[in-house]
Amino acid sequence: GAGVSQSPSNKVTEKGKDVELRCDPISGHTALYWYRQSLGQGLEFLIYFQGNSAPDKSGLPSDRFSAERTGGSVSTLTIQRTQQEDSAVYLCASSLGSRTEAFFGQGTRLTVV
Amino acid sequence: SQQGEEDPQALSIQEGENATMNCSYKTSINNLQWYRQNSGRGLVHLILIRSNEREKHSGRLRVTLDTSKKSSSLLITASRAADTASYFCATELLTGYSTLTFGKGTMLLVSP
Repeated sequence: GAGVSQSPSNKVTEKGKDVELRCDPISGHTALYWYRQSLGQGLEFLIYFQGNSAPDKSGLPSDRFSAERTGGSVSTLTIQRTQQEDSAVYLCASSLGSRTEAFFGQGTRLTVV
Repeated sequence: SQQGEEDPQALSIQEGENATMNCSYKTSINNLQWYRQNSGRGLVHLILIRSNEREKHSGRLRVTLDTSKKSSSLLITASRAADTASYFCATELLTGYSTLTFGKGTMLLVSP
């Protein structure tokens, strides 16, 4: 596609449920990033993929969070047993590789009620 | 943890004025990037400056980098109401993983 696509745009879920957030990066982009942004805050780094490997998972806040990337393309961020503090906008970005600009999707707004 | 910190947190100016935002960081970088965000959604890349560069221009944007002070500035000249947005700096470290680490941003309001 022309840009980074994230789905769904908005997700409301009940506390304790699992959610999956999807990111379709720009074709050919080997690097993929996930970030979380709470209201009025900066971007909190979650995880970085290079191809299908995740050399940096240091930002995942707990073991309820996991992510995978398949075929060097689509990535899924899974949050298990969601909590209210997980409510935020989850942003995905991709880039051609290291040392280049990143292109962002429009994000998924997750609300845990 | 935040590698970059923007200053000021918020800036309010009139159309036509210049806006200057600063970013400080802690560890050696390969490059520093500035992004813009409207309405709390996707970010748009503005400019990338490498560690061996001191100044870069793009249209009404001017970015400087001082690696000795570990700081950068973004200047928007002749601002317009449409420049109203949040501006973030992001750093890519010199060594290790190519993680882009963002600051908390500067919220710019340009009044007509």
